[in-house]
Amino acid sequence: DAGVTQSPTHLIKTRGQQVTLRCSPKSGHDTVSWYQQALGQGPQFIFQYYEEEERQRGNFPDRFSGHQFPNYSSELNVNALLLGDSALYLCASSLNMYETQYFGPGTRLLVL
Amino acid sequence: ELKVEQNPLFLSMQEGKNYTIYCNYSTTSDRLYWYRQDPGKSLESLFVLLSNGAVKQEGRLMASLDTKARLSTLHITAAVHDLSATYFCAVDPISGTYKYIFGTGTRLKVLA
Repeated sequence: DAGVTQSPTHLIKTRGQQVTLRCSPKSGHDTVSWYQQALGQGPQFIFQYYEEEERQRGNFPDRFSGHQFPNYSSELNVNALLLGDSALYLCASSLNMYETQYFGPGTRLLVL
Repeated sequence: ELKVEQNPLFLSMQEGKNYTIYCNYSTTSDRLYWYRQDPGKSLESLFVLLSNGAVKQEGRLMASLDTKARLSTLHITAAVHDLSATYFCAVDPISGTYKYIFGTGTRLKVLA
């Protein structure tokens, strides 16, 4: 049973560019959440998708947007990248909005 | 503002010793999670604590939850080098947001 998968594993972008990160949830899971983890800090909640809609959102600007597809996979898009967007981006999936979240391996984004 | 605080932030201990990591949170919650993170890796789920007084043990780690005191502890018994990692607690607020609020993390180093 494959766990949560994310792609790409690493990414280097320059300021002002746009990036798309992808996540496939654990089999049977229909809810996907995204977190940003800056170096040396705990993960911070970005948003959560369920039934292809954004259900909850953390304190992140509109430059951060997402999407969930009918197969429950999800994308995180970040526009107008800033140096401060450099972080590990973690995707987590759960059986539904209320169950334990399982985390993927993450995508490490470096903005130069 | 919901806050989740862990202490200590850094912990260096000798193999064979016992120690406790504390997680305090500022909102009502009956769901608390402990995760382990190795350098450059994702989060590994350790424990899910779902009610007041819950206690769970796995190997040399034992976690407990006191919802009235808004406190969870992660106790390490007879530490071994393999336990070296960063440990995070995360709270799932009762308010119904179902987004995890992570603590600051405790970086544990077990010295041989």
